[in-house]
Amino acid sequence: GAGVSQSPRYKVAKRGQDVALRCDPISGHVSLFWYQQALGQGPEFLTYFQNEAQLDKSGLPSDRFFAERPEGSVSTLKIQRTQQEDSAVYLCASSLHRGTGYTFGSGTRLTVV
Amino acid sequence: EDKVVQSPLSLVVHEGDTVTLNCSYEVTNFRSLLWYKQEKKAPTFLFMLTSSGIEKKSGRLSSILDKKELFSILNITATQTGDSAIYLCAVEGDTDKLIFGTGTRLQVFP
Repeated sequence: GAGVSQSPRYKVAKRGQDVALRCDPISGHVSLFWYQQALGQGPEFLTYFQNEAQLDKSGLPSDRFFAERPEGSVSTLKIQRTQQEDSAVYLCASSLHRGTGYTFGSGTRLTVV
Repeated sequence: EDKVVQSPLSLVVHEGDTVTLNCSYEVTNFRSLLWYKQEKKAPTFLFMLTSSGIEKKSGRLSSILDKKELFSILNITATQTGDSAIYLCAVEGDTDKLIFGTGTRLQVFP
């Protein structure tokens, strides 16, 4: 597609529920990133893929967070047993390769109640 | 630890005013500094700066980088209400991730 597509746009989850957030990067983009943006804050890095390989997951806040990109295109960010502090906008970004700039999707706003 | 500090945190101006947004950084093995505009959710790319002293321009927006003093500024001249947004600064170092500041919220009133 023309841009980075994320779904759903909004998700309300009850505390303890599992959620899955999807990212469709720009076709052909090798690098894919997930960021978490809390209200009033800048985006914070969660994890990074180069093709299907997860090269850096140092930003994942706990073992409840898991990301995958099995075929090197679409990626899913899964959060198990959601907590209120997980409420944030989750942004996905892709780039053709290192140093070429990043295109962000519109994000998924997750609200845990 | 890599970090980015933006100032001011918030700015309120009238249409036609000129604004300057600041970004200072500390990063290991600097590669680039990027400016993004965030209106609703998706940050949209404005500029990527890699070399000191070279101004980048796009319409009423311009930006410059000082790698010696470790800062960048984003200027917006003749502001319009459509410029109201959060402006994010990010740096890329020797890891592949972007380190963002908290952003500057700009509000432009008619």
